[in-house]
Amino acid sequence: GAGVSQSPSNKVTEKGKDVELRCDPISGHTALYWYRQSLGQGLEFLIYFQGNSAPDKSGLPSDRFSAERTGGSVSTLTIQRTQQEDSAVYLCATTIQGRELFFGEGSRLTVL
Amino acid sequence: AQSVTQPDIHITVSEGASLELRCNYSYGATPYLFWYVQSPGQGLQLLLKYFSGDTLVQGIKGFEAEFKRSQSSFNLRKPSVHWSDAAEYFCAVASSGSARQLTFGSGTQLTVLP
Repeated sequence: GAGVSQSPSNKVTEKGKDVELRCDPISGHTALYWYRQSLGQGLEFLIYFQGNSAPDKSGLPSDRFSAERTGGSVSTLTIQRTQQEDSAVYLCATTIQGRELFFGEGSRLTVL
Repeated sequence: AQSVTQPDIHITVSEGASLELRCNYSYGATPYLFWYVQSPGQGLQLLLKYFSGDTLVQGIKGFEAEFKRSQSSFNLRKPSVHWSDAAEYFCAVASSGSARQLTFGSGTQLTVLP
């Protein structure tokens, strides 16, 4: 696609429910990142996919968080048993040359 | 470990006034430095970057930034602010050119008064 596309743009859920956030990268971009942006905070790295290599999961805050990238394209970030502290904007970014990141508009998650 | 500090959480300027957003970094060697802008409801967009060479770098939308090694700073400037510049600005540092090494500051929110 022309840009990085994320869905849903907004998600309100109840504590304890599972949520899935989707990222459609720019066509041909081999690297894909997930970041979390909490209110008043910078961007927190969550996970990184590069081609067919094993993902770098070092930023995932707990085992309730997981992500996959199917066929080297679309990625899904899953948060199980959501907690109120999971409320944030989740940003996806992709790159082809490893330097400049192209960001999606983000998925705003609110956990009640 | 590298880190980035943006001392100003919120800045307000009048349209047409000059702007300087501060960014200080901590890293032992020569860093790779970036400024990103995030307009409301949008993702982040790269404004400019410094890898090496001329310490004054020009970016999009009339922005520039100057790398000062002695002050560990990479401040963003614009001589005349437009109302459309109202957004949040993030400074980022990396130990290499790879985006995997990026560390972001906590951001500066810019308000532009008419």
